[in-house]
Amino acid sequence: AQSVTQLDSQVPVFEEAPVELRCNYSSSVSVYLFWYVQYPNQGLQLLLKYLSGSTLVKGINGFEAEFNKSQTSFHLRKPSVHISDTAEYFCAVSDGYSGGYQKVTFGTGTKLQVIP
Amino acid sequence: GAVVSQHPSRVICKSGTSVKIECRSLDFQATTMFWYRQFPKKSLMLMATSNEGSKATYEQGVEKDKFLINHASLTLSTLTVTSAHPEDSSFYICSARPWDSNNEQFFGPGTRLTVL
Repeated sequence: AQSVTQLDSQVPVFEEAPVELRCNYSSSVSVYLFWYVQYPNQGLQLLLKYLSGSTLVKGINGFEAEFNKSQTSFHLRKPSVHISDTAEYFCAVSDGYSGGYQKVTFGTGTKLQVIP
Repeated sequence: GAVVSQHPSRVICKSGTSVKIECRSLDFQATTMFWYRQFPKKSLMLMATSNEGSKATYEQGVEKDKFLINHASLTLSTLTVTSAHPEDSSFYICSARPWDSNNEQFFGPGTRLTVL
């Protein structure tokens, strides 16, 4: 079974400051890892994903994440946030095929609040 | 590319009526579509997985007779909430996996269902 833990439900940060949103996962097999962003009353948009290869993954809107297998973490970072980054961020894990189809498990989300 | 639409975006209905939500992949063929439910301030809960031309696979605890899923074509899946009750009020999000991808899903914008 796979699971995702996002310990921080809310993260307030001042505009132009750096931010890190934490994500830890558990899985019995190799994994694919994702970060999604959700703006109010909208669906999810993929920020970045780790499938294999380099552990540092760069995504859209200046975000990046680092896959750390030994710590089973996939923390999301941005060096300087903007007001427009205010949104809910979901970490997700997939162990590839399970029973013939991909199954993705989402964390509970972290609300990033950028303060002017 | 990889756009998924949902219709309607919002729906309000009376208790006891049925509501159909459509999920369409606009520019790709999706052999698999997923239906999620998102409660306020909560994560996404996978309800079911539908494969084109076959019966949907429901997650544990999801009533298949209440949430009818049809995946009639490679670009369309529908979720029908039958005999809706106020506790069915939620944000429903679909996603679609392209036929040539085994690790990425593209999400629709969601449908806000309110049952009075």
